[in-house]
Amino acid sequence: AQRVTQPEKLLSVFKGAPVELKCNYSYSGSPELFWYVQYSRQRLQLLLRHISRESIKGFTADLNKGETSFHLKKPFAQEEDSAMYYCALSGLGAGGFKTIFGAGTRLFVKA
Amino acid sequence: GAGVSQSPSNKVTEKGKDVELRCDPISGHTALYWYRQRLGQGLEFLIYFQGNSAPDKSGLPSDRFSAERTGESVSTLTIQRTQQEDSAVYLCASSPQTEAYGYTFGSGTRLTVV
Repeated sequence: AQRVTQPEKLLSVFKGAPVELKCNYSYSGSPELFWYVQYSRQRLQLLLRHISRESIKGFTADLNKGETSFHLKKPFAQEEDSAMYYCALSGLGAGGFKTIFGAGTRLFVKA
Repeated sequence: GAGVSQSPSNKVTEKGKDVELRCDPISGHTALYWYRQRLGQGLEFLIYFQGNSAPDKSGLPSDRFSAERTGESVSTLTIQRTQQEDSAVYLCASSPQTEAYGYTFGSGTRLTVV
């Protein structure tokens, strides 16, 4: 079965410090993985997707199939990065192709 | 349209009443999802439409919940005989046929059952 686990509900770091938001997944096939972000009072939006291997707002995420992980990283956190982050997996499940989300990690960047 | 539009943005209803939530996806997006987000929790998958295929209803929590979609356009999520535990933000998202591009979300409908 598909499963996405974000072990940290809350992550608090100081401005300028490195940040890593953890995401582990369970899926038997080749997954498509994403990170979504929800800033305060804004709608959920796509941050990045693993197939494009891009860096958005300084964030990167590498798919590690051996560890079944897709951790989100940024070398120097900014206050404006404070938001809710969701890891998501798209894949073929029992009910068809679907996308499921982790429970989310709230990132708080302190001045 | 320019984005995914959901209406109403807020809905307060009495326990036992039926409610209908609407989602207008981005034109040309064949995939449409409904999710539920309870306060302080993650996104819970409800139902998925992809083109003219039969919808994946595996996430609907009970038979009080149903959803329809007209072709590749508007979708409505109906909750009958609402209960207090139905209170949540209901999110709609759409994507092009290839999910690899990710989804565009609406701003959600905040449902409060009193």
